[in-house]
Amino acid sequence: GESVGLHLPTLSVQEGDNSIINCAYSNSASDYFIWYKQESGKGPQFIIDIRSNMDKRQGQRVTVLLNKTVKHLSLQIAATQPGDSAVYFCAENIAGNQFYFGTGTSLTVIP
Amino acid sequence: EPEVTQTPSHQVTQMGQEVILRCVPISNHLYFYWYRQILGQKVEFLVSFYNNEISEKSEIFDDQFSVERPDGSNFTLKIRSTKLEDSAMYFCASTPGQRRTEAFFGQGTRLTVV
Repeated sequence: GESVGLHLPTLSVQEGDNSIINCAYSNSASDYFIWYKQESGKGPQFIIDIRSNMDKRQGQRVTVLLNKTVKHLSLQIAATQPGDSAVYFCAENIAGNQFYFGTGTSLTVIP
Repeated sequence: EPEVTQTPSHQVTQMGQEVILRCVPISNHLYFYWYRQILGQKVEFLVSFYNNEISEKSEIFDDQFSVERPDGSNFTLKIRSTKLEDSAMYFCASTPGQRRTEAFFGQGTRLTVV
């Protein structure tokens, strides 16, 4: 299968600071990526997506950066809040309906 | 806000028994999916379903698995003869007509095979 991995399994940040969660992917043919947030006991929740014809996409308090040269994806969360504490997954898609998920980074926001 | 609902939230079954996991996708969505997540591991794609047939499946989705849309609202995953390694969280998801777009996930069914 495809390899989608995360650099750091855990991340702790102070409330109000910015968070950066990283993701590496292995298949240069992947052209669509999604970041999901998973809170305890819940299913993955869509945060933001980006297609390979873009380098950056911004949402509300979140920004995704895509570096195709090094096959790297990052999620930036501005002014992190306690409600942002969760596991964050990146998922990649090459074609069709299959998404390959990474193992996840656990973000803990310290009040 | 529309959501994907799954039942039951937790299912315990004996090895070798059949289980059916149920999902109600978002009503105007056309693509349906099952994913699973073994504890502490990645979310893994199992199968996608469109127009009353399987459109894609992974190598995990072998002959012991089947999916069905028995009526206009439900989408089910059947595991014929459960094995211990089938213990996992099973997520149903759905997307609207456009294929490559965000999937809306249900809360999941935790399957425990004993």
